[in-house]
Amino acid sequence: QKEVEQNSGPLSVPEGAIASLNCTYSDRGSQSFFWYRQYSGKSPELIMSIYSNGDKEDGRFTAQLNKASQYVSLLIRDSQPSDSATYLCAGGGTSYGKLTFGQGTILTVHP
Amino acid sequence: NAGVMQNPRHLVRRRGQEARLRCSPMKGHSHVYWYRQLPEEGLKFMVYLQKENIIDESGMPKERFSAEFPKEGPSILRIQQVVRGDSAAYFCASSAGGQATGAQYFGPGTRLLVL
Repeated sequence: QKEVEQNSGPLSVPEGAIASLNCTYSDRGSQSFFWYRQYSGKSPELIMSIYSNGDKEDGRFTAQLNKASQYVSLLIRDSQPSDSATYLCAGGGTSYGKLTFGQGTILTVHP
Repeated sequence: NAGVMQNPRHLVRRRGQEARLRCSPMKGHSHVYWYRQLPEEGLKFMVYLQKENIIDESGMPKERFSAEFPKEGPSILRIQQVVRGDSAAYFCASSAGGQATGAQYFGPGTRLLVL
């Protein structure tokens, strides 16, 4: 069983729509969760972090965490073609700073 | 630029040679992590270091790979006697603290190609 699993995608949405990306994790001791965006050939860029149950909003991005269901999601409102990238969900473990990444979801926003 | 720096950005080696990858953490950060991304695969943790200490090397292959973060200078990931399967993107990340809640920021990566 994968420790962090993302909806496989690819996901295609029209410009202006809401993109919804989902992630589940198996380690109940995980304390922190991160969403990274990775453009092709580039390095991961941190876009959201979330530590507590509930929602966290930052501009067009909203992260949601439900520890009981071991579920993390990222909503992108008013999607733009520039949002087209691979989105990586990562969980922080119970000790130290090691991050476990999901396999990524490819998002395409078409005009 | 106060971001994480890595060099070289691209490295070509022949089988059997050594590869040395360098990473300077973001200013103010003292915790360094190395990850590897194989083609069409996800990011995999390799090793976590602080100055002069390896904290967690649970993701490092048992042979040919080593890492260090000396008191002075960048962190170095060393791969001895490279094989074609080592071809990948190697990313370094840094954080201000080593706790599980610490956000990690990635450098641009080193793309290693083994011929």
